[in-house]
Amino acid sequence: AQSVAQPEDQVNVAEGNPLTVKCTYSVSGNPYLFWYVQYPNRGLQFLLKYITGDNLVKGSYGFEAEFNKSQTSFHLKKPSALVSDSALYFCAVIKAAGNKLTFGGGTRVLVKP
Amino acid sequence: EAQVTQNPRYLITVTGKKLTVTCSQNMNHEYMSWYRQDPGLGLRQIYYSMNVEVTDKGDVPEGYKVSRKEKRNFPLILESPSPNQTSLYFCASSLMGSRQETQYFGPGTRLLVL
Repeated sequence: AQSVAQPEDQVNVAEGNPLTVKCTYSVSGNPYLFWYVQYPNRGLQFLLKYITGDNLVKGSYGFEAEFNKSQTSFHLKKPSALVSDSALYFCAVIKAAGNKLTFGGGTRVLVKP
Repeated sequence: EAQVTQNPRYLITVTGKKLTVTCSQNMNHEYMSWYRQDPGLGLRQIYYSMNVEVTDKGDVPEGYKVSRKEKRNFPLILESPSPNQTSLYFCASSLMGSRQETQYFGPGTRLLVL
């Protein structure tokens, strides 16, 4: 069975500081990995995905994530956080031959001015 | 505008009273899916559909039914709702299966079962 772990329920960071949201996964075979963001009272919005190729993936709103196969991780990063980045972030995985997308429990990010 | 719509957005009902949450997408997507979101558990997949008349169970299908008679619509049916189905529900769609394609999510339906 595939699974995703987001070990931090909440991450607090000061505006302008680097932001990292951690994600590790477990899946048989090659993974496809996704990050989604959820703002209050909204649906999920796609940020970025890793399918194949370069391990460093760049996405929307200045976010990027690095795929690390040996550590089975896909951490989300942003060099300089904004107050508007405060939201709930979800990591998700699907195996290359599968049809089911599995989400982590989510990490709430709070960026303070 | 490309979008996934859900109705209703908010619903309060009582145990045992059948209800349907509608989902519609205007992007000609083949793949559609239903999730429920509960605090600390993230999103869990209820059912998904690879195409018209093709549906399959996700991780938490008990107590739910779905149908896919048209490509654009994927309603979620609760035949006899129970309080443990109180949750936030999301419908999503993607072009050709969820493997490589980004899923587009609806705005959510908040359900309270008394």
